[in-house]
Amino acid sequence: AQSVTQLDSHVSVSEGTPVLLRCNYSSSYSPSLFWYVQHPNKGLQLLLKYTSAATLVKGINGFEAEFKKSETSFHLTKPSAHMSDAAEYFCVVTSVYNTDKLIFGTGTRLQVFP
Amino acid sequence: NAGVTQTPKFQVLKTGQSMTLQCAQDMNHEYMSWYRQDPGMGLRLIHYSVGAGITDQGEVPNGYNVSRSTTEDFPLRLLSAAPSQTSVYFCASRPTGGTYNEQFFGPGTRLTVL
Repeated sequence: AQSVTQLDSHVSVSEGTPVLLRCNYSSSYSPSLFWYVQHPNKGLQLLLKYTSAATLVKGINGFEAEFKKSETSFHLTKPSAHMSDAAEYFCVVTSVYNTDKLIFGTGTRLQVFP
Repeated sequence: NAGVTQTPKFQVLKTGQSMTLQCAQDMNHEYMSWYRQDPGMGLRLIHYSVGAGITDQGEVPNGYNVSRSTTEDFPLRLLSAAPSQTSVYFCASRPTGGTYNEQFFGPGTRLTVL
């Protein structure tokens, strides 16, 4: 069985400070992991994905995530937040054996203050 | 390419009414799916299709029907709407034939059932 837990429902940061959005996963098989972003009243956009290649994954808009098997974590980071980063972020897991099925976390709402 | 399009953007129904949420994609993707998004629950898979004429149930299929007569279209039908179906609905598509392919999401349909 697979599951994903986003440890914070809300994160608030000041513009220019680092962002950390935490995600832990549970998977019986080799997981594929994704981060999606949803801006207000918009659909979801892929930020980055881990597919068993490099453990440090770089995505769009300066975001990156590190796959840590020993900690079953896939935390999303960005060195310096921008106002436009304010959005909802979803950590997602799927299995190499069934890539049709995405399991979504409950989401983390990121607020960025000036 | 228009990508994944959904109509309508907003809909209000009364309990017991029926309606069809439309989804279309122009990327020639074989795989299409429907999700619902509820506060604090992330996205949950309703139904999916791996190609024309083939559909399967996801995590929360009850109360919804789908069909896939063409590659481009994947409508979601509510035969007798219930207040529990108040949600935001997202359609997604992705290519098949490889692994870890990104899913492309439509902008969503916000449905309220009174």
